[in-house]
Amino acid sequence: EAGVVQSPRYKIIEKKQPVAFWCNPISGHNTLYWYRQNLGQGPELLIRYENEEAVDDSQLPKDRFSAERLKGVDSTLKIQPAELGDSAVYLCASSSLAGVYEQYFGPGTRLTVT
Amino acid sequence: ILNVEQSPQSLHVQEGDSTNFTCSFPSSNFYALHWYRWETAKSPEALFVMTLNGDEKKKGRISATLNTKEGYSYLYIKGSQPEDSATYLCALWSFGAGKSTFGDGTTLTVKP
Repeated sequence: EAGVVQSPRYKIIEKKQPVAFWCNPISGHNTLYWYRQNLGQGPELLIRYENEEAVDDSQLPKDRFSAERLKGVDSTLKIQPAELGDSAVYLCASSSLAGVYEQYFGPGTRLTVT
Repeated sequence: ILNVEQSPQSLHVQEGDSTNFTCSFPSSNFYALHWYRWETAKSPEALFVMTLNGDEKKKGRISATLNTKEGYSYLYIKGSQPEDSATYLCALWSFGAGKSTFGDGTTLTVKP
């Protein structure tokens, strides 16, 4: 069974530039998560999808961040424009159901904004 | 905002040493606790999911216990090996929050 796929693995951009991350979850997983992990901290949830619906986006900075999950499968997270403080690892995870069921993570995208 | 705390922040041990870490969390509205291992440049990997007070889980040399009444979980590694070097994260799922809240992790380095 293929795991969660993310691309790119690394991205370096200048501030004010746009950037997009892509995630393909495990087949059949209805729930998809985007997390941001700052250095020395644990992952912080940005948005959670149940199928196509964003059920929790309370921590997503909506002035510059956007996300979509078309057809309830793969997902894209975009930042426009990027700021220096956006440098972090962006993790995508999926699970068959939310809650007690374990999340399966992708390898993450390490973003550096210069 | 839930506060999930992990200690120590980092740990350096010699190969063969046994070690343990702590995850502390608010005991109210507890639903589930997950432990993950995150090796550099790899995906975080689930180790255990624990739901009941007194739960004990084991996978090889790694084991975990859960006390939901006092709000803590211990992760033990017996006879640490260099391949155990990683960041160990705990995540709390509680009623009401509707999401996992992660601790900041314990980074373990095992020296050969």
